[in-house]
Amino acid sequence: GESVGLHLPTLSVQEGDNSIINCAYSNSASDYFIWYKQESGKGPQFIIDIRSNMDKRQGQRVTVLLNKTVKHLSLQIAATQPGDSAVYFCAETGAGGTSYGKLTFGQGTILTVHP
Amino acid sequence: EPEVTQTPSHQVTQMGQEVILRCVPISNHLYFYWYRQILGQKVEFLVSFYNNEISEKSEIFDDQFSVERPDGSNFTLKIRSTKLEDSAMYFCASILDRGRPYTFGSGTRLTVV
Repeated sequence: GESVGLHLPTLSVQEGDNSIINCAYSNSASDYFIWYKQESGKGPQFIIDIRSNMDKRQGQRVTVLLNKTVKHLSLQIAATQPGDSAVYFCAETGAGGTSYGKLTFGQGTILTVHP
Repeated sequence: EPEVTQTPSHQVTQMGQEVILRCVPISNHLYFYWYRQILGQKVEFLVSFYNNEISEKSEIFDDQFSVERPDGSNFTLKIRSTKLEDSAMYFCASILDRGRPYTFGSGTRLTVV
């Protein structure tokens, strides 16, 4: 039968609010995690990454939190702007060993920022 | 800032035809990848390429698919006999080393009719 696209989680915020996007990952052996932003018709754009030996990393207006115990990642965007509207994906991979760097993506969250 | 370049941006092809999607990865990168994204769905891994050979491939990457790095700069994905379900965005990506952020190209939208 015809496949149906995933119904992505959505987050709607007002400009200036803080946004939190969550992601559950599946592979306990993953040791490198990346957040990507994807705008319509474009490729994934790197936002921030974190390795498994850390539980928090901050960038410009963004913070990633990693909880390895429950295999959970979150992306916090401070003072969200309309230009932040996009689909946000988390991705996991192994950084060494037998891994060749294959990324496994989460399902994505649609962030809409209202002016 | 270095970019991964993909051509064409949009390709329409008849079912059963062969297509070649082209990518120019970042010049000093060593690991190369193809991913695809069916409309409205998440990005899926197809294949990784390192040291002039396929290092890993997904179950999607069947005998109809092949990759080549013919000249040290281009990285191509060939689909021998396209099917309707091959319609998707195809993204090329490269990294300098494992544990580094990927750089993705802007994608080729493949439409099989």
